[in-house]
Amino acid sequence: AQSVTQPDIHITVSEGASLELRCNYSYGATPYLFWYVQSPGQGLQLLLKYFSGDTLVQGIKGFEAEFKRSQSSFNLRKPSVHWSDAAEYFCAVGAWNQGGKLIFGQGTELSVKP
Amino acid sequence: DTGVSQDPRHKITKRGQNVTFRCDPISEHNRLYWYRQTLGQGPEFLTYFQNEAQLEKSRLLSDRFSAERPKGSFSTLEIQRTEQGDSAMYLCASSSTVPNTEAFFGQGTRLTVV
Repeated sequence: AQSVTQPDIHITVSEGASLELRCNYSYGATPYLFWYVQSPGQGLQLLLKYFSGDTLVQGIKGFEAEFKRSQSSFNLRKPSVHWSDAAEYFCAVGAWNQGGKLIFGQGTELSVKP
Repeated sequence: DTGVSQDPRHKITKRGQNVTFRCDPISEHNRLYWYRQTLGQGPEFLTYFQNEAQLEKSRLLSDRFSAERPKGSFSTLEIQRTEQGDSAMYLCASSSTVPNTEAFFGQGTRLTVV
């Protein structure tokens, strides 16, 4: 079955600390991988994407993610968190030949302490 | 282009009423997706169109739900005889059919059934 697991429902970090959000997936084909961010009551904003090639991808707002095929993981990282990063983060997988539809994880809510 | 637009942003309706939402995709995108997101969960795929053809429907899309994209441009999602369990955020996204391209999401329509 195709699925995405984000093991951490809620994470709290101090401003300036590093961040890692975990994402594991189960998918038959080689997937496309995405991280989206959502502020309350808003739509989804794409942070970064992986289609192929270099397994370390850079995104907006200083985020990066690493695709590890052997671990079926695509963890999101940021070296220094800002208060404005507080939001809900979603990992998603899809494939172009599956119509491009996405399967999302449950999300990780990030809180930032001053 | 202003991105993916959804209308209305918020809708409150009484149980048993019908509601219709509209999505205007990015103009050059020929794929359009509908997702539903309940509180504390990630978005779940409902259906998608390629041009005017509805190519896939999730089992989540009960008989009370219908989606159309009559001219391959905007799309509507109608819910008949709404139930309290239909309360959710309904998200629309669009993408190109070119491989290695991502989907862009609208701001969503928040439905509350009272």
